[in-house]
Amino acid sequence: GQNIDQPTEMTATEGAIVQINCTYQTSGFNGLFWYQQHAGEAPTFLSYNVLDGLEEKGRFSSFLSRSKGYSYLLLKELQMKDSASYLCAVIDSNYQLIWGAGTKLIIKP
Amino acid sequence: GAVVSQHPSRVICKSGTSVKIECRSLDFQATTMFWYRQFPKQSLMLMATSNEGSKATYEQGVEKDKFLINHASLTLSTLTVTSAHPEDSSFYICSALGRTPRDIQYFGAGTRLSVL
Repeated sequence: GQNIDQPTEMTATEGAIVQINCTYQTSGFNGLFWYQQHAGEAPTFLSYNVLDGLEEKGRFSSFLSRSKGYSYLLLKELQMKDSASYLCAVIDSNYQLIWGAGTKLIIKP
Repeated sequence: GAVVSQHPSRVICKSGTSVKIECRSLDFQATTMFWYRQFPKQSLMLMATSNEGSKATYEQGVEKDKFLINHASLTLSTLTVTSAHPEDSSFYICSALGRTPRDIQYFGAGTRLSVL
């Protein structure tokens, strides 16, 4: 079966750095997405990785290792508004998007 | 960037009535649109995939006669919840996939349906 694992919940301090991990076992791989979702709202796109390595976009960076079936989302200089759920999703060989359950990130002052 | 508009954002209706939700891609042609349902504190659950001009593909366990999907044009897909019941109360979200860079799915803002 297809599976995406990410921690259920994480807590971090305002101004700090946090890394949210995602591991996947899917039938094929055509890219990995990270989305941010605030409570009661729809997800918003953060990043897309299809090649190995780190992609940086402002305070957010996303890393991918296809050989390890592993990705992480790195958030720097955390702000209170970063409190949200972070969803990892993988496109499989049939171009279906497989979603992780999401990681709830709690930011404390 | 690409924008997907979903309307209405919130609807409250009586049991037995039908509710239509619209999803529009505003600045790109969406060859494929997806409809998701999300229960509180849970991840997105794909309900169906619709391609322009063809019948929607429903996920297992989703009643196609209850959740009618129409994707008549490259910029509009509609989801109609027929004869809604309280258990249909949920957060419904559409997303659109088109000829945008990297085939990113862009999401509408979602529709919160409350059936009394």
